[in-house]
Amino acid sequence: DTGVSQDPRHKITKRGQNVTFRCDPISEHNRLYWYRQTLGQGPEFLTYFQNEAQLEKSRLLSDRFSAERPKGSFSTLEIQRTEQGDSAMYLCASSHEDRYEQYFGPGTRLTVT
Amino acid sequence: TQLLEQSPQFLSIQEGENLTVYCNSSSVFSSLQWYRQEPGEGPVLLVTVVTGGEVKKLKRLTFQFGDARKDSSLHITAAQPGDTGLYLCAGDGGTSYGKLTFGQGTILTVHP
Repeated sequence: DTGVSQDPRHKITKRGQNVTFRCDPISEHNRLYWYRQTLGQGPEFLTYFQNEAQLEKSRLLSDRFSAERPKGSFSTLEIQRTEQGDSAMYLCASSHEDRYEQYFGPGTRLTVT
Repeated sequence: TQLLEQSPQFLSIQEGENLTVYCNSSSVFSSLQWYRQEPGEGPVLLVTVVTGGEVKKLKRLTFQFGDARKDSSLHITAAQPGDTGLYLCAGDGGTSYGKLTFGQGTILTVHP
């Protein structure tokens, strides 16, 4: 059983550019979450999918952020017109709807210069 | 808004010492999870506690969920340098979505 995978692991981009991250959850998990973590803080919830439906978005997720999970499997998180304040670790987690446990991927470290 | 306060924020101890990390909230949680995170990596799940008063042991780690399901503690016995890392507690507020609210974490350093 492979764990949650994320790609890329690191991304350096210039302010104003668009970036897209991918998350592949554990295969039998139908719930997928995106979190953001800045240095010295715990992760903060961004958005959540059950199957292909996006059911909740945090107010942290400005209109420059969009997430998709088109076939209920992998998910993408896109940030348009990146700002320096977007620099953070973006974490993906997955779970089964009948279980509390969430399993995290290794994260994508974004640096906006 | 549900908040989780973790204490202490930093802990620096010698190998062989015992320690306790606390996670407190004014909110009730359906479940509480503890994670350990290494620099540059994602959090790794250690344990999930669900029942008020529940105690779970994982080798030298003991996890307790408060009777009212508002607080939790992690106790490590005879800490080892390999225990060094960021420890995070995270509560599930009980909505159908299961999103987690995290504490700010405790950075543990165990010196040989």
